[in-house]
Amino acid sequence: DAKTTQPNSMESNEEEPVHLPCNHSTISGTDYIHWYRQLPSQGPEYVIHGLTSNVNNRMASLAIAEDRKSSTLILHRATLRDAAVYYCILRVGGAGSYQLTFGKGTKLSVIP
Amino acid sequence: DSGVTQTPKHLITATGQRVTLRCSPRSGDLSVYWYQQSLDQGLQFLIHYYNGEERAKGNILERFSAQQFPDLHSELNLSSLELGDSALYFCASSPWGALIAGNTIYFGEGSWLTVV
Repeated sequence: DAKTTQPNSMESNEEEPVHLPCNHSTISGTDYIHWYRQLPSQGPEYVIHGLTSNVNNRMASLAIAEDRKSSTLILHRATLRDAAVYYCILRVGGAGSYQLTFGKGTKLSVIP
Repeated sequence: DSGVTQTPKHLITATGQRVTLRCSPRSGDLSVYWYQQSLDQGLQFLIHYYNGEERAKGNILERFSAQQFPDLHSELNLSSLELGDSALYFCASSPWGALIAGNTIYFGEGSWLTVV
């Protein structure tokens, strides 16, 4: 199964942009890159996903390298509410069932 | 609010006992996934049901079992509980059996199980 590598922790000042990196050098051509985040005492929450092109939504942007071996989640203006663990995930599984396999993620701290 | 409902939110029980955790998926979602999150293991996939059928098993112990009912709600049964089973148990749902075209899954807020 393709694996992802993320820094254990990062810090950001409030209202500044945050770039959360993820390496996935063994990604296959059909693997989507998913990002979820988990706020304290809550279930994981979908953030964004993409395949090849950069993606934007109301929460964040996802920049995917041309060779797809890495990606970066971009929070344009960090708020205190963005303090969470961010997971970069590739789907794993076979026909009929794909699961999201979570690694350790990156713990983002936002400094007021 | 993801639309996935889990009960109970908190549960304290003794070793050797059996508990049942319940999950109601989002309206219309056919897939239910169960995950376990403990401090040392992180989020671990346990099992996936699609429209009443088991689709995949992950790191689920033999003492644990699950089922999905015709109304699509699911139950996770944990028996012969040990101290190490203390964890947060999440249910998630999605419309499809597979992550088609990058489809996402939606998590509930979890059931916190403490075994004493």
